[in-house]
Amino acid sequence: DQQVKQNSPSLSVQEGRISILNCDYTNSMFDYFLWYKKYPAEGPTFLISISSIKDKNEDGRFTVFLNKSAKHLSLHIVPSQPGDSAVYFCAVRQGGSEKLVFGKGTKLTVNP
Amino acid sequence: NAGVTQTPKFQVLKTGQSMTLQCAQDMNHNSMYWYRQDPGMGLRLIHYSVGAGITDQGEVPNGYNVSRLNKREFSLRLESAAPSQTSVYFCASSGGAWTQYFGPGTRLLVL
Repeated sequence: DQQVKQNSPSLSVQEGRISILNCDYTNSMFDYFLWYKKYPAEGPTFLISISSIKDKNEDGRFTVFLNKSAKHLSLHIVPSQPGDSAVYFCAVRQGGSEKLVFGKGTKLTVNP
Repeated sequence: NAGVTQTPKFQVLKTGQSMTLQCAQDMNHNSMYWYRQDPGMGLRLIHYSVGAGITDQGEVPNGYNVSRLNKREFSLRLESAAPSQTSVYFCASSGGAWTQYFGPGTRLLVL
């Protein structure tokens, strides 16, 4: 049973517009949430994170929103650039665990 | 400062052959991880280690063994490779802030 779901396998947006990537989770004990970006033939790279005590975290063009009541996490990229085209994974950590659980990823394509 | 390094980058094995995937990190991190990535499956944890000599199973441990002899290195061994183990393998490390840093990956093809 999937604990972390990224229901959209792919997303296509125009350059300059907003990209919104979504992630749903099942366990209210998760306390730390991360987004990773992955280019083909490379390892995932850390993008942005948020702890469960916050509902928003910003880093430049990237903002992560956490809705604990809905068990929903989203990543907003504004404005989107062609270089943002990659697969985005959300990941969650359960309190007290050394492990992360990853979603299956969403492939973002930003068209010029 | 190389971060997380993995060797080899690519390997082809025949069914039944064995091999060891090597991983090293220079960030003085306590925890290290091995994942596999398959199309449509995301990243699945194979084994992980929270310190030298301490390892534990992840989500998909069958067919794999690991070794953490020191803080820097974490190896993954396939004793008898199977076609189902064809995948891309990523090593990662973490220094306790829950963010994991990944290596570039090893592409393994088992024929």
